[in-house]
Formats: sequence, C-alpha cells, structure tokens
Amino acid sequence: SAVISQKPSRDICQRGTSLTIQCQVDSQVTMMFWYRQQPGQSLTLIATANQGSEATYESGFVIDKFPISRPNLTFSTLTVSNMSPEDSSIYLCSVAGSSVGEELFFGEGSRLTVL
Amino acid sequence: GENVEQHPSTLSVQEGDSAVIKCTYSDSASNYFPWYKQELGKGPQLIIDIRSNVGEKKDQRIAVTLNKTAKHFSLHITETQPEDSAVYFCAAILKAAGNKLTFGGGTRVLVKP
Repeated sequence: SAVISQKPSRDICQRGTSLTIQCQVDSQVTMMFWYRQQPGQSLTLIATANQGSEATYESGFVIDKFPISRPNLTFSTLTVSNMSPEDSSIYLCSVAGSSVGEELFFGEGSRLTVL
Repeated sequence: GENVEQHPSTLSVQEGDSAVIKCTYSDSASNYFPWYKQELGKGPQLIIDIRSNVGEKKDQRIAVTLNKTAKHFSLHITETQPEDSAVYFCAAILKAAGNKLTFGGGTRVLVKP
C-alpha cells in the first residue's frame, strides 16, 4: 500500500476564487488520478495526472477548470479554478502501480465548500 | 464504456446478521472488480478484490463472488459489527486499460447494535 497525504483536508472558499490541492505519496507510483465525489454521490474520475506531460481529462472535465500538475512520481496538484457552489465536493487523489502494486489506493480527500 | 450498477443504495442490518451488496457491470471484457469501504470523513479503502479468473474470494468475514456469465458480482459480510457501518463501493475495470475504475453508486450500510 501507500501513504497518501492530501492538503488541505478541508477548506471553505469564496465564489470566483481558485484553490490548489496537493497530493504527496510516500513512494514512487506509476499512475496518479484525481477523482471528485459530490455530496452523497459516488466517485467520478476527473483526470489522469501524467508525469512530465499534460493530464488526460475525462469527458466533462477540462484543463482550464481543473489544471493538474505532476512534476515527479510522488507528487501532483489539482487546481479548482473560478469556483462556484457546484464545485463543492470532496476531491480525492488516488495512486497505483510501481512500488504500491496494481491496486488503486486513495488519499483521505480534500473537502471543499464554496460559498 | 463500462457502466456499473449497485444495489441496494441503503442497507440496515442487525448486528450479527449478514449483509449482501450486489453489482452488475456492462463490459464483458472487464476483469478486475475491487470493493471499497468509505467511512465518514475518510477516503475509500480497498477491502477486497477479485479477478475474472476466480469465482469467489474470502478474507475473514468478507467474501466476494463473481458470475462472469451474468456479469454480476457481490460482496458478502458475515457476522456484521457496528464498525462495518460505512458506504461501500464496487468497481470494475479492464486491467489492460490501466486503473481507471468505474464505480457503482454506493451502498450505505448501517449495522444496528
């Protein structure tokens, strides 16, 4: 398994602002993903964070709204830009591959509330 | 793409009884089926998984069964305890396509003491 640290764990944000969430893993991983979990809902994949190149976004998610960085094999950031109340969700970092094995592991999530 | 449906959405059981959650998937090529448990305020935790070359897998009080023909798989929790109360998610994927899991809608399990 892996120890996945996300910051911040929660935040309250104003409409129109942007917030960057950090994900740090204690070992090198092949794959890093960002998921969104809206209140009381299941998990939806936002994008795959690719090391050294642009992230791969799923249908319905765009880079301008959710820019992602992945400078190395242990770290990634997700920015939620120009936030609206509809962006109030839990954002989860997940990892797989390399030293952590094939299974997908999740961080504890970052709970954002947009007022 | 893959579509995963999960039932029931909520499940209330008496402590000591069994709980069963069922999922169906649409893509017959899917070959990996994990189950996650999410406690309040925490991220999902992998509790058990099964691959398509296996029909059943057990780990203490938890078991998962897979019916490839019918394209459904189930989670069984025996001798439930209050700490089993959580939201459970099933997922499916074709492993060769990477680790982009498709999740079911989740089941909120409440174990009453």
